[in-house]
Amino acid sequence: AQTVTQSQPEMSVQEAETVTLSCTYDTSESNYYLFWYKQPPSRQMILVIRQEAYKQQNATENRFSVNFQKAAKSFSLKISDSQLGDTAMYFCAPGPYGGSQGNLIFGKGTKLSVKP
Amino acid sequence: DGGITQSPKYLFRKEGQNVTLSCEQNLNHDAMYWYRQDPGQGLRLIYYSQIVNDFQKGDIAEGYSVSREKKESFPLTVTSAQKNPTAFYLCASSPRDGPRGYTFGSGTRLTVV
Repeated sequence: AQTVTQSQPEMSVQEAETVTLSCTYDTSESNYYLFWYKQPPSRQMILVIRQEAYKQQNATENRFSVNFQKAAKSFSLKISDSQLGDTAMYFCAPGPYGGSQGNLIFGKGTKLSVKP
Repeated sequence: DGGITQSPKYLFRKEGQNVTLSCEQNLNHDAMYWYRQDPGQGLRLIYYSQIVNDFQKGDIAEGYSVSREKKESFPLTVTSAQKNPTAFYLCASSPRDGPRGYTFGSGTRLTVV
């Protein structure tokens, strides 16, 4: 079974600084995707960034980027120039590529607070 | 705009009652999911459906039931057998193939009174 570990239950960062959230996972899949979701106080889950495991290049979306280390099964999220609106729970989730089986498995989350 | 609609936003249940949470999507997604969220627990999968008229139990299906009679709809019933139903419930959908990122609804907060 897949497992996902987010080892930092809570983190804080000053506005405009950079923060990295860690995630490690275990999977037997040979091809898969990895996702980071954000859940602000409104509790709406929002997709932040997606990484395809077969791609060596790390994904980037504006201020958000990942450091994907496939051999180590590590998938960390870096937030640059942190903004107050980044305050949220962040969930890491690996999932299978295509097919009709399997689902996203979510970590327990990291609560990020951005301080003014 | 396409999306997922969950209703109601807040729901109160008396002891011994069954309640049904609604989830409707107009994204033409084949797969739909129900997750439960408790503080410190992350998201736990209750049921999922990959296709109409078929669904599978997730990790915590006991005390819950679902149906998938239409592609657009995946209602969740919390039965009286669920001993601790107070939680936040999230519905999601995804395409059946390709990158399986989810689109989420805005959630339903269920409280037992």
